[in-house]
Amino acid sequence: EDKVVQSPLSLVVHEGDTVTLNCSYEVTNFRSLLWYKQEKKAPTFLFMLTSSGIEKKSGRLSSILDKKELFSILNITATQTGDSAVYLCAVNRQGGSEKLVFGKGTKLTVNP
Amino acid sequence: DAGVTQSPTHLIKTRGQQVTLRCSPKSGHDTVSWYQQALGQGPQFIFQYYEEEERQRGNFPDRFSGHQFPNYSSELNVNALLLGDSALYLCASSLVAGADTQYFGPGTRLTVL
Repeated sequence: EDKVVQSPLSLVVHEGDTVTLNCSYEVTNFRSLLWYKQEKKAPTFLFMLTSSGIEKKSGRLSSILDKKELFSILNITATQTGDSAVYLCAVNRQGGSEKLVFGKGTKLTVNP
Repeated sequence: DAGVTQSPTHLIKTRGQQVTLRCSPKSGHDTVSWYQQALGQGPQFIFQYYEEEERQRGNFPDRFSGHQFPNYSSELNVNALLLGDSALYLCASSLVAGADTQYFGPGTRLTVL
């Protein structure tokens, strides 16, 4: 059965800190890994990763995938209170369908 | 460009009742997936619709059913509601043609009393 494990489950930091969120996975016929940010309701798309070792970057957020060790990390530098959210990791498998398998998420709280 | 929309925002039902949730996909998308997110958990895949047919289904009982209309909008129906059906129901849309990225709507919060 496909499995996605995120750690830590929750994290409290101060503004300006740098955080690293982890996502490990076991999936048959891996195709892609996606990161979403969920503030209140709708998860909003951050990154999609398909190739090992290639960093995706957007402002203060970056992510990288290691397909050999089956994990991904999401880094946030110079955190702001607006980064407070649940960060979800999901994987997709080969085969044409787009069923996403999610982890439980990491709840990040950034205090001023 | 309208994103994914869902209605209603909130819903309160009692055990045994039936509920219908609605979703309109992002403009240009033709595939709709439904997810259930219990408190403190990640979203769990319910099913996916493409070309008005159920394309794939997760581990949910037959009480959960759906429909997709010719304009790509979709409904999720849940019969014989249980307390455990209380959750946030998320709809996501995508393009079948190779796009892995799914875009989510704001969800419907269902409370079963």
